[in-house]
Amino acid sequence: DAKTTQPPSMDCAEGRAANLPCNHSTISGNEYVYWYRQIHSQGPQYIIHGLKNNETNEMASLIITEDRKSSTLILPHATLRDTAVYYCIVRVWAAGNKLTFGGGTRVLVKP
Amino acid sequence: DAGVTQSPTHLIKTRGQQVTLRCSPKSGHDTVSWYQQALGQGPQFIFQYYEEEERQRGNFPDRFSGHQFPNYSSELNVNALLLGDSALYLCASSKDRETEAFFGQGTRLTVV
Repeated sequence: DAKTTQPPSMDCAEGRAANLPCNHSTISGNEYVYWYRQIHSQGPQYIIHGLKNNETNEMASLIITEDRKSSTLILPHATLRDTAVYYCIVRVWAAGNKLTFGGGTRVLVKP
Repeated sequence: DAGVTQSPTHLIKTRGQQVTLRCSPKSGHDTVSWYQQALGQGPQFIFQYYEEEERQRGNFPDRFSGHQFPNYSSELNVNALLLGDSALYLCASSKDRETEAFFGQGTRLTVV
């Protein structure tokens, strides 16, 4: 699986959009970008995934650059409950669902 | 749907002992993966079970072993515990080859 690089931490104001960057410059053509988050003392939670098109669901939007070397997770209206560690993961779809976690970005949503 | 359940939630063991952790997957899921998460780090893949067989394994010693039962539940066994085995152990379940893995709340193991 390709390696990802994320900023170690970032703050966000409650009610504002949170934009979380991820670099995956060595991504292969058959590798998807996944985002998970881990709220303190809980197991990781799936957020969204994509291959090359932008994706949106009820939790977030995923913007992948045209060259697929980076992506941005957007939380449109951050709430205090969005405070968590966010992990960007690149993996081949159906590769046994193994997930390779990096250090993630610790997001603190402030009132 | 109870989701992925793990037991126990917390456990304290002495160095050299053996421990067994348990996981019940989400209803309809047939694949179980185990992860180890040391304090302040991301989860690290230990191994995955599908159809009662170990399908993939991460970079963990043979002291770490597992089992999957016909009802898809799974156990993680760790022998000869070391202080460095202290961590949060996470179980994740999924339907084979599908994209989304669901995690349990984890078992916090402390080795003293």
